[in-house]
Amino acid sequence: EPEVTQTPSHQVTQMGQEVILRCVPISNHLYFYWYRQILGQKVEFLVSFYNNEISEKSEIFDDQFSVERPDGSNFTLKIRSTKLEDSAMYFCASSEAPSTEAFFGQGTRLTVV
Amino acid sequence: DAKTTQPNSMESNEEEPVHLPCNHSTISGTDYIHWYRQLPSQGPEYVIHGLTSNVNNRMASLAIAEDRKSSTLILHRATLRDAAVYYCILKRNTDKLIFGTGTRLQVFP
Repeated sequence: EPEVTQTPSHQVTQMGQEVILRCVPISNHLYFYWYRQILGQKVEFLVSFYNNEISEKSEIFDDQFSVERPDGSNFTLKIRSTKLEDSAMYFCASSEAPSTEAFFGQGTRLTVV
Repeated sequence: DAKTTQPNSMESNEEEPVHLPCNHSTISGTDYIHWYRQLPSQGPEYVIHGLTSNVNNRMASLAIAEDRKSSTLILHRATLRDAAVYYCILKRNTDKLIFGTGTRLQVFP
């Protein structure tokens, strides 16, 4: 069964450093998403991406965040200067269309120290 | 975003049916009812969705009230692997998923 793959599974970084979280969405999917989940809290929407541009973003997704689809398979989330409060599980998701089911990856646990 | 209300937690015994309720009294005509679940230490996983009619798939059944103000996710025979947080989400076709706090389902052997 096709799946969304995220790497790394766990990333530890120092405050102020840049991190890039990587995702390989399902190959025929066109819509891509990033969500995050702070420990013990809800899954929060960050950004949706379609046709090489951001279609929607939340208040959390400020200027420190960016997304990119650098090639035909990868979808990345970059945090330019990490803060302690960026520590969370980050989930990538993809779907064929906004109306169809979204498939989520296993997540990247980001720990900012 | 239209709001859903779910119990914080529910319990079940293995191999028994589980009925997970969801209230959504402010649902609009274009809102689909989606269910996702999140197993421990994993990403959310799609379970089922519907608009007006009851729906069945290999994972579960979705029973939608006639007035659409509530719905019930039915797991026909709970297994230990079904222990998860279950999210009931209202979503229009072009909207992103907005997760609430969901129902934490415990399954006992």
